[in-house]
Amino acid sequence: RKEVEQDPGPFNVPEGATVAFNCTYSNSASQSFFWYRQDCRKEPKLLMSVYSSGNEDGRFTAQLNRASQYISLLIRDSKLSDSATYLCVVNTGGFKTIFGAGTRLFVKA
Amino acid sequence: DTAVSQTPKYLVTQMGNDKSIKCEQNLGHDTMYWYKQDSKKFLKIMFSYNNKELIINETVPNRFSPKSPDKAHLNLHINSLELGDSAVYFCASSQARLAGGLGEQYFGPGTRLTVT
Repeated sequence: RKEVEQDPGPFNVPEGATVAFNCTYSNSASQSFFWYRQDCRKEPKLLMSVYSSGNEDGRFTAQLNRASQYISLLIRDSKLSDSATYLCVVNTGGFKTIFGAGTRLFVKA
Repeated sequence: DTAVSQTPKYLVTQMGNDKSIKCEQNLGHDTMYWYKQDSKKFLKIMFSYNNKELIINETVPNRFSPKSPDKAHLNLHINSLELGDSAVYFCASSQARLAGGLGEQYFGPGTRLTVT
């Protein structure tokens, strides 16, 4: 089992749709969790950290479920500019960080 | 104002050559990283330095030698380049959290290495 797993997609959605991504992790001692987005030929950029209580930033909501060892990202009212690869990132303890393989999202007009 | 910078942005070289990539961060972070992103877009950690000390070496061939002269810089030297080294190399930095774990990582723009 991979340490961090994501559905690679692609997810093809129309503008205005709501889309959700899940990510599972294998190390129950993992300490911090993040979602990044990566545009084509660009560096990954932090989208949001994921906290135990769940957190929201505008159209984006992140959730952490420690019991089931997954994190999720919900995007509401999708925009064309949301098209990117979304990376799930887990700090498994100490200084080790594992990136998921990414989920590709295409938002179409 | 660039938070994490890398040079060069593009590097084209022949097999067997030796090359270096430089990275600098002005965020005051105590931890820096090198990642490799291959043609399948999978981002994999290579090295991690905390306060200039090597913390993580993820079974990278010893042709790759990182060096951290101070907390703000982490360079990567690659000897005897091979075709399989072609990839995008990203530098990143972060700060450890008081509550444990690592904080958010900030990435440089990447160095696209092509070995011919």
